[in-house]
Amino acid sequence: GAVVSQHPSRVICKSGTSVKIECRSLDFQATTMFWYRQFPKQSLMLMATSNEGSKATYEQGVEKDKFLINHASLTLSTLTVTSAHPEDSSFYICSAGKPGRSELSFLNTEAFFGQGTRLTVV
Amino acid sequence: SQQGEEDPQALSIQEGENATMNCSYKTSINNLQWYRQNSGRGLVHLILIRSNEREKHSGRLRVTLDTSKKSSSLLITASRAADTASYFCATALYSGGYQKVTFGTGTKLQVIP
Repeated sequence: GAVVSQHPSRVICKSGTSVKIECRSLDFQATTMFWYRQFPKQSLMLMATSNEGSKATYEQGVEKDKFLINHASLTLSTLTVTSAHPEDSSFYICSAGKPGRSELSFLNTEAFFGQGTRLTVV
Repeated sequence: SQQGEEDPQALSIQEGENATMNCSYKTSINNLQWYRQNSGRGLVHLILIRSNEREKHSGRLRVTLDTSKKSSSLLITASRAADTASYFCATALYSGGYQKVTFGTGTKLQVIP
């Protein structure tokens, strides 16, 4: 399967600082990347969809000014948690989407996920 | 938003028994995928079933899909202690040039040696 690399895998930061998480698609050009958040013992919640060269689309309830997403190239998307607080402590995971021309081209397409980033804000 | 609900939320079985997890979802889908997640770690893709398929097998895994009922099930046969993990169904929907994947609530499986 395709390889998606996420960095860092773990980060501890002080309250009030910003943290940047990188997501790289290593073997295909990802026009679209997705960012998820997972609180302990819960499922993964889609935060936003990142499109190369345009603004990200945020899910309802996700603050776009707090979670800045940049998709500057076809292989890199970044998520910056600004002014982090302890309640932002979570597992963040990205996914890269292969481009497709039609719905049919996606029938067999699985999602490709990074390894995740464990953020702890102290 | 959460697309799917899974049941049971938690399941504890003896090694060698079969484990069945169910997933229900709300909208039309392109395909449905099952993932495993060991505690605090990343996702492992297990199996994908297309919207026009009804059943699929992969090793000890059997997945069914009923699009009329908007439900899927994952069966793990002859379970092993190493199967202990959380299992998530994820529905994929085509939307404007890309495929959006949303996850179910998950089932935490414990296999007792």
